[in-house]
Amino acid sequence: GESVGLHLPTLSVQEGDNSIINCAYSNSASDYFIWYKQESGKGPQFIIDIRSNMDKRQGQRVTVLLNKTVKHLSLQIAATQPGDSAVYFCAENSLYGGSQGNLIFGKGTKLSVKP
Amino acid sequence: NAGVTQTPKFQVLKTGQSMTLQCAQDMNHEYMSWYRQDPGMGLRLIHYSVGAGITDQGEVPNGYNVSRSTTEDFPLRLLSAAPSQTSVYFCASSYSRSYEQYFGPGTRLTVT
Repeated sequence: GESVGLHLPTLSVQEGDNSIINCAYSNSASDYFIWYKQESGKGPQFIIDIRSNMDKRQGQRVTVLLNKTVKHLSLQIAATQPGDSAVYFCAENSLYGGSQGNLIFGKGTKLSVKP
Repeated sequence: NAGVTQTPKFQVLKTGQSMTLQCAQDMNHEYMSWYRQDPGMGLRLIHYSVGAGITDQGEVPNGYNVSRSTTEDFPLRLLSAAPSQTSVYFCASSYSRSYEQYFGPGTRLTVT
């Protein structure tokens, strides 16, 4: 649980502010992207996904933006709350390339929300 | 639905011992997978299965075996535990590879 956060990029925000977590992906053929949230001592929890035929997708308080030109994915969290404190992972999927169609996970970003 | 369940939650092994990590899902998902998570390394795929009777290797398969005799169960076997296998292990399932995966709560394994 706690060891997941070691050596990770950290984003610290004030409660109520908006958070933006960024992710660069590697495979230009990737066509499916997911954001996961992992709280200390728990398994990753699905937040939102987006397919490559979209640039933006919104959920409850979260928005994912996809920029295929620069291979960049971002997760925006509106009105960040203390319960949003966690490690956030992006994952990409492509049927082409070495991953054989399986998800490839980034190393994660730790979000810390100050009350 | 219980979702994805894993047992045990914690395990300590001595070098050379073998054990099986259990994983079960009740969502009738065809795709199941095992990951290990180490500090600063993210999640790395060990083995996966696209359906009962079909398994394949992921990124870090050495030292692990899997089988998939039913849709519900996907156990992971450590053949001869080594300290390098100290990690947190997660099982996940999904409708298919191109859909969101649901993760279990994890097994924290320490090999001494």
